[in-house]
Amino acid sequence: DVKVTQSSRYLVKRTGEKVFLECVQDMDHENMFWYRQDPGLGLRLIYFSYDVKMKEKGDIPEGYSVSREKKERFSLILESASTNQTSMYLCASSLTGTGRVNTEAFFGQGTRLTVV
Amino acid sequence: AQKVTQAQTEISVVEKEDVTLDCVYETRDTTYYLFWYKQPPSGELVFLIRRNSFDEQNEISGRYSWNFQKSTSSFNFTITASQVVDSAVYFCALESNSGGSNYKLTFGKGTLLTVNP
Repeated sequence: DVKVTQSSRYLVKRTGEKVFLECVQDMDHENMFWYRQDPGLGLRLIYFSYDVKMKEKGDIPEGYSVSREKKERFSLILESASTNQTSMYLCASSLTGTGRVNTEAFFGQGTRLTVV
Repeated sequence: AQKVTQAQTEISVVEKEDVTLDCVYETRDTTYYLFWYKQPPSGELVFLIRRNSFDEQNEISGRYSWNFQKSTSSFNFTITASQVVDSAVYFCALESNSGGSNYKLTFGKGTLLTVNP
């Protein structure tokens, strides 16, 4: 079974702290994604990565950065956490692209981050 | 740019009724993929179906069926004889590169389905 694992299920951080959310997948997928989920807004894409050290901004990248030093690991960084970043964060991975065997996106269990 | 619209925010039905969840998408790409996911109260996203843009054949899986129409850019999902366990948030999603080189996965805002006994 494909597994996408997020390092924490719940996190509470203080305003201004630097926060790292970690995600690891074990299926050698090239694509990895970070979303945040808020009531009434669905899943909004923050950043995605299509290869090691490669990244692209999603729809709401402001206030976030990412790191992909190894293929299996994709980290989301909140440089200076703010209360409006309180949310559920979901990581996903997939194998998609022209000429490749395509898969659906597999999701982690989510990290509920509260910034106080 | 790519976009997924799920116009129905919430739907409430009585058990055994049929229900259709609408999904309309926008993309400039000719090759793209469409998905439906279910998110039950437990929170984990459950994959239901994937369709590529070259396959317009409708699909049926048990009580679930999907109607893909490129002419209207729609990918609707019907649950026949709904059950209480179908209560969840359902997300439609689109993966395409919109003329670029990398595939981006975009979700709609979701439809909350409540099936009452």
